[in-house]
Amino acid sequence: KNQVEQSPQSLIILEGKNCTLQCNYTVSPFSNLRWYKQDTGRGPVSLTIMTFSENTKSNGRYTATLDADTKQSSLHITASQLSDSASYICVVSGGDKIIFGKGTRLHILP
Amino acid sequence: KAGVTQTPRYLIKTRGQQVTLSCSPISGHRSVSWYQQTPGQGLQFLFEYFSETQRNKGNFPGRFSGRQFSNSRSEMNVSTLELGDSALYLCASRATGGLMNTEAFFGQGTRLTVV
Repeated sequence: KNQVEQSPQSLIILEGKNCTLQCNYTVSPFSNLRWYKQDTGRGPVSLTIMTFSENTKSNGRYTATLDADTKQSSLHITASQLSDSASYICVVSGGDKIIFGKGTRLHILP
Repeated sequence: KAGVTQTPRYLIKTRGQQVTLSCSPISGHRSVSWYQQTPGQGLQFLFEYFSETQRNKGNFPGRFSGRQFSNSRSEMNVSTLELGDSALYLCASRATGGLMNTEAFFGQGTRLTVV
């Protein structure tokens, strides 16, 4: 069964700290993996996209990694800011399928 | 360049009614896809339209339908509303067809509440 599992479901950290969000998938065949950030009340915004041959991609303080062998991805946020409070959604595409994870809800406290 | 515009932003309907949601993609984009987002299920793909033709469809009942106009604007219709249809409906715009490798730009969504 094609699935995308994200962990943790929610996370609370202090401003300035780092954190890592996880995404495990069983989608096959695999085309690409995207991380989206969704602020409350807004649509998702793309952070990174990685194909099979890429194992890391950065976008400012956001760094995504991909291990296609173990079918795992992580999103690392460095020096968190209050504006990082949002849901982070992992999306895996392959064949004719797009499978969304349920997201990790991140809360940054001052 | 204007982003993806969805109207209305909020909507309250009663069970059994029908509803039509609208999405205007980014100028020049020809692909529009629709998604339902609920706390329990996350984002789920409804369908994609490209050049006025439905190209892909998710696993939703026939009560959910859509169309795309020649100017690429798209509408989604839900008939015989059920309480479980309460959700945030998101529209995504892509420059070309194909859900797999083309970046999607999302609108802010329409929050539908069925009472």
